[in-house]
Amino acid sequence: DVKVTQSSRYLVKRTGEKVFLECVQDMDHENMFWYRQDPGLGLRLIYFSYDVKMKEKGDIPEGYSVSREKKERFSLILESASTNQTSMYLCAINTGTKETQYFGPGTRLLVL
Amino acid sequence: GENVEQHPSTLSVQEGDSAVIKCTYSDSASNYFPWYKQELGKGPQLIIDIRSNVGEKKDQRIAVTLNKTAKHFSLHITETQPEDSAVYFCAASRVGGTYKYIFGTGTRLKVLA
Repeated sequence: DVKVTQSSRYLVKRTGEKVFLECVQDMDHENMFWYRQDPGLGLRLIYFSYDVKMKEKGDIPEGYSVSREKKERFSLILESASTNQTSMYLCAINTGTKETQYFGPGTRLLVL
Repeated sequence: GENVEQHPSTLSVQEGDSAVIKCTYSDSASNYFPWYKQELGKGPQLIIDIRSNVGEKKDQRIAVTLNKTAKHFSLHITETQPEDSAVYFCAASRVGGTYKYIFGTGTRLKVLA
């Protein structure tokens, strides 16, 4: 079974703080994704990584950056958190040979 | 731009009845269409998928149909049970070879006992 772990289930941060969201996979999968989920908007792609140190902007990258120093770990960084970044953040992976994406449990972030 | 429209946004059915959720996609090059179920407090889980060379696929009480000409695909759940209550998302693959999706906006299904 594919396992995707996100470091926190719930986070509360202050406006202006730097926030790190971590995603870890237990296999050697190339592709990793960060989405945010908001009511009525579905899942929107923030960033995508197809290998170590390789990244590509998604549909809504503004205000976010990412880091992938090791294959199993993909981090989403909010350089200066703002209240409009309050959301559910979902990490996903796929194997690179099959289209299916597998999701982590999500991190619900509240920015005050 | 690429877009996936999903309807309805909420759906209530009596236990034992059928539920149908519909999606329309814009990119005619999309060739993979997964459906995800998200239960409260959990990440989305794949429940069924279909590729563009197939018109219909069934897995027990769940089926998906695809009409490539009309760019429509639908999820059908028969004999609904309370545990089917969840949010369902459709998605369509994007062109580019990197296995990215465009997601629909989700349907909240409530199965009333």
